[in-house]
Amino acid sequence: DIVMTQSPDSLAVSLGERATINCKSSQSVFYSSNNKNQLAWYQQKPGQPPKLLIYWASTRESGVPDRFSGSGSGTNFALTISSLQAEDVAVYYCQQFYSSVVTFGQGTKLEIK
Amino acid sequence: EVQLVESGGDLVQPGRSLRLSCAASGFNFGDYAMAWVRQAPGEGLEWVGFIRSKQYGGTTEYAASVKGRFIISRDDSKSIAYLQMDSLKTEDTAVYYCTKSCGGDCYLYKSWGRGTLVTVSA
Repeated sequence: DIVMTQSPDSLAVSLGERATINCKSSQSVFYSSNNKNQLAWYQQKPGQPPKLLIYWASTRESGVPDRFSGSGSGTNFALTISSLQAEDVAVYYCQQFYSSVVTFGQGTKLEIK
Repeated sequence: EVQLVESGGDLVQPGRSLRLSCAASGFNFGDYAMAWVRQAPGEGLEWVGFIRSKQYGGTTEYAASVKGRFIISRDDSKSIAYLQMDSLKTEDTAVYYCTKSCGGDCYLYKSWGRGTLVTVSA
């Protein structure tokens, strides 16, 4: 199975500042058939189900604010929140959908400093 | 609007069985693969398994931790996905989420239900 490793496990950032979460996969998740990285980011707030934010490593899901952006390719990826808002406090997960055996990162808890 | 509503969660003893249901609406259910993802209390997300659409054979895949004990099925006429859980273990305690994929054989989960809690305890 493809192992997804996120860093850091937790992160505290001041309001209005940039937050960056990293995700590394144990093998490349680049799918040559569609020329895209099969990597997604989810946001989960307390008591709620996960919400899809980003897929194909950098494509924002409809309705997601443009302060959220994704980058990276192959095995190294990042989720960046350009200007942290109070409502962004959540746990963030990366997920590879390259393999039918889907795997998630362990999660990164984002808090306000 | 896509809606996924899980039901069937309960407190059950180890070794017993339970069947979860996921009632879907707002999309053509038969065209999409459906998956189950669980989350133990205070823990991260763990993929359980999924079922492809009939166009892709309706075949299933499972996580190693549940293979041989859990079975996913679907009833396209009712727009319901099921998760049959047998030989339950205490480590199966979790909120179980039903998810809609991006296609008939796609592993990106665009929509999630609110989940149903399964507690396995003596």
